[in-house]
Amino acid sequence: QKEVEQDPGPLSVPEGAIVSLNCTYSNSAFQYFMWYRQYSRKGPELLMYTYSSGNKEDGRFTAQVDKSSKYISLFIRDSQPSDSATYLCAMSATSSASKIIFGSGTRLSIRP
Amino acid sequence: NAGVTQTPKFRILKIGQSMTLQCTQDMNHNYMYWYRQDPGMGLKLIYYSVGAGITDKGEVPNGYNVSRSTTEDFPLRLELAAPSQTSVYFCASSVTGGAYEQYFGPGTRLTVT
Repeated sequence: QKEVEQDPGPLSVPEGAIVSLNCTYSNSAFQYFMWYRQYSRKGPELLMYTYSSGNKEDGRFTAQVDKSSKYISLFIRDSQPSDSATYLCAMSATSSASKIIFGSGTRLSIRP
Repeated sequence: NAGVTQTPKFRILKIGQSMTLQCTQDMNHNYMYWYRQDPGMGLKLIYYSVGAGITDKGEVPNGYNVSRSTTEDFPLRLELAAPSQTSVYFCASSVTGGAYEQYFGPGTRLTVT
C-alpha cells in the first residue's frame, strides 16, 4: 500500500463548477500538507500549504485536512479553463523538504 | 529573476552512455533538490544539498551522482544510463529547506534506449 493515495483521474468538469480533489494517507505522523499544481510539460508550483488539521482558504482555493480520517482535500470554486492541470498532493511528518511524500497526481480538465 | 533553470529540456541517451543534467538557481537559496517523476508515480527524491559542498542521498540515489561547488549550481550526473532511468527530472530549491516553500524548475525529459 502506498503511503499517499491519489485518484489519477482524469476529472473533467464544466467551467464554473466546484472541483473537489482528494488524497488519503496511511502515516499518522504526517503534519505538513501541500497541494501543487503542475501544468503540462512544466514543473510543479506550490498552491496551498497547511500545517496539522483544519481549513485554509486562498482566493478560489480551499485546502482541508482531516487527520482523524487521514484525508485531505482541495476545493476549487468557480473553476476556470486555466485551472486545467495535474494537481499533486504532498505531505511530510517533519518540516524538512527532504522527507516529503508526493501523491501521483490527479489530472483535471475544465471544459469551457 | 529566472528562478530555477534546467538544461537540457529533452535528451535521448543510449544504454551505457553518461550525461549531466544542469540545474541553476538565481535566488541565493541554500537548499537544492533533484527529483524524478515517472508516469503514475509521485515525485521521488534522488539527492539534495543543504549548501555548497554538502550533499545527501534521497529515496532513489542509485545510478546518480551530484556535486555542489557553488550556491547556484547543482548538477546531476548519470553514469552508465539504463532504461529504468527514463523519466522526467526536476530540480528544486528553497531558502530554509522547509517542506512548504520549494520552487521547481521546468524539468528535463530523458529517454534511455
